[in-house]
Amino acid sequence: DVKVTQSSRYLVKRTGEKVFLECVQDMDHENMFWYRQDPGLGLRLIYFSYDVKMKEKGDIPEGYSVSREKKERFSLILESASTNQTSMYLCASSLPQGAGNTIYFGEGSWLTVV
Amino acid sequence: KNEVEQSPQNLTAQEGEFITINCSYSVGISALHWLQQHPGGGIVSLFMLSSGKKKHGRLIATINIQEKHSSLHITASHPRDSAVYICAAPRGGGGGADGLTFGKGTHLIIQP
Repeated sequence: DVKVTQSSRYLVKRTGEKVFLECVQDMDHENMFWYRQDPGLGLRLIYFSYDVKMKEKGDIPEGYSVSREKKERFSLILESASTNQTSMYLCASSLPQGAGNTIYFGEGSWLTVV
Repeated sequence: KNEVEQSPQNLTAQEGEFITINCSYSVGISALHWLQQHPGGGIVSLFMLSSGKKKHGRLIATINIQEKHSSLHITASHPRDSAVYICAAPRGGGGGADGLTFGKGTHLIIQP
């Protein structure tokens, strides 16, 4: 069974902390994505990656960075967490054709910044 | 950048009713996704379609590429169909290798 695993389901962090959200997929997918989901705004793309060490900005990259050192792992980094980054974060992966292939999501990470 | 609109935002229906959720997008695409999200957050892919119609059990998805419109239908709805249904289209149109743009979702509640 294919799987996208997000390391932390629920996190509470303090303003200014550095936060790492980890995502691992077991499907050998080239494409990986980080989205955030907020009430009334839907899912919005933060960053995506085509391949190892490759990264591209999505629609809302400000305040975030990413790392992809291995094909199966895509990390989202909040360099200095702020309260407006309280949200649910979803990782996803797909084969290289992007929307031309099924996309698989992790279970989500609920981040609260206090 | 593609803009995706969904309607209705909220829908409450009785068990057994026929359900329709609509989705429109602004930029031509090669495929559109329908997704389902249950309470707790996990999202699963229901359909990816590029033309015509697809059916899976009681769920049917249709798309009209020329009109940039898609619909998701649920026949003989059941309380377990209660979820948020989301349509998504390639961000930049076309094949969408640069990720998806999502509609805001339709919150469906099926009452027994």
